[in-house]
Amino acid sequence: DGGITQSPKYLFRKEGQNVTLSCEQNLNHDAMYWYRQDPGQGLRLIYYSQIVNDFQKGDIAEGYSVSREKKESFPLTVTSAQKNPTAFYLCASSFIGLDMNTEAFFGQGTRLTVV
Amino acid sequence: SQQGEEDPQALSIQEGENATMNCSYKTSINNLQWYRQNSGRGLVHLILIRSNEREKHSGRLRVTLDTSKKSSSLLITASRAADTASYFCATDSFGNEKLTFGTGTRLTIIP
Repeated sequence: DGGITQSPKYLFRKEGQNVTLSCEQNLNHDAMYWYRQDPGQGLRLIYYSQIVNDFQKGDIAEGYSVSREKKESFPLTVTSAQKNPTAFYLCASSFIGLDMNTEAFFGQGTRLTVV
Repeated sequence: SQQGEEDPQALSIQEGENATMNCSYKTSINNLQWYRQNSGRGLVHLILIRSNEREKHSGRLRVTLDTSKKSSSLLITASRAADTASYFCATDSFGNEKLTFGTGTRLTIIP
């Protein structure tokens, strides 16, 4: 089945640790996104990528890093520099372009908790 | 910064009634989309409307777009308990295709 997969579903991080969240898609989408969602809040853009080996900072990139070595994969690392990482993280992918259907497909999310 | 702001933040209606939520945005757009999120889950795409369109329908959903007012509305007719969810608008812009979301409307349908 085509889709976008995030793993793990739940993740616990100790203070000072880096953790990496996985996001894989087999939809042949060009663009991939990482969003952070805090309880009762909207989605805030962390990073996005429109092409392999290139990515752009979103609104809240500090304390996060990404890579886009393959079209299908866009992992997010939450570094120890992120002071308040407990949140729900959502990955999405879409086609891009002026006349394209830019509908985004979302993974089921990773809930990260600092312990 | 959030591109879109949904209004109201929360809405409770009786089952069978219509639900209307609004989205305002700040800059010129290419597309505007509406998504639904059930609690603790990923978002699901509902409908996309292009900047040169004014109205679009999909089943019980009706979306309008007023680019002069930089606003959109989502109407859900004959609401059902299963419509209980958060609803978000999202926009992308010419030359800047990143998808930016609003703050969402929490809709509760009372059986």
